[in-house]
Amino acid sequence: EVQLLESGGGLVQPGGSLRLSCAASGLTFSNDIMSWVRQAPGKGLERVSGITGNSGSTYYADSVKGRFTISRDNSKNTLYLQMNSLGVDDTAIYYCAKGGQAAPLDYWGQGTLVTVSS
Amino acid sequence: EIVLTQSPGILSLSPGERATLSCRASQSLRSSYLAWYQQKPGQAPRLLIYGGSSRATGIPDRFSGSGSGTDFTLTVSRLEPDDFALYYCQYYGTPPLTFGPGTKVDIK
Repeated sequence: EVQLLESGGGLVQPGGSLRLSCAASGLTFSNDIMSWVRQAPGKGLERVSGITGNSGSTYYADSVKGRFTISRDNSKNTLYLQMNSLGVDDTAIYYCAKGGQAAPLDYWGQGTLVTVSS
Repeated sequence: EIVLTQSPGILSLSPGERATLSCRASQSLRSSYLAWYQQKPGQAPRLLIYGGSSRATGIPDRFSGSGSGTDFTLTVSRLEPDDFALYYCQYYGTPPLTFGPGTKVDIK
């Protein structure tokens, strides 16, 4: 059974930083493209970042480019999202998901809430 | 960037009725990289359909997807109480991978 478990969310002040983690199990993690998708309160879905299995290619939405960094440690089956210079518009539930370019998002974690507020 | 438009915004139906949800793309989608997701309150989205018409693992056959090019449809043949939820379409070809704004299916 595939499981994705996010952690690292919380309350942070504007301008602050957070690092999200997503621990994966039940899949051949190093083979899979992975994504971070966020959902602001009461809003729709936005894929903010993605990374190929070998970390050779990454993607960032314009809304986070230059502030967020996606990475992965295949030896630990873990996906990361380093978020810097956070603003109130970054407040959202952040989901990690298996899939991305040319691959549907077929497994999702339960999400971790990031709240940016003073 | 491919923009997805979903209609209607809200669909009010009764259990047992047929639901037809539309997703229109701003340009023709390559290889039908079109997926449908279901989301219930407080839960993560769940993949229903990929490739425009292929059901994901464990998805009941009352859910079906169709379409090509710019026009895609998700049909729920007979709504069950568990099907009242929010539905999103998504393009997953060339980045950015965009989502539609969603269609809410609620109980009439």
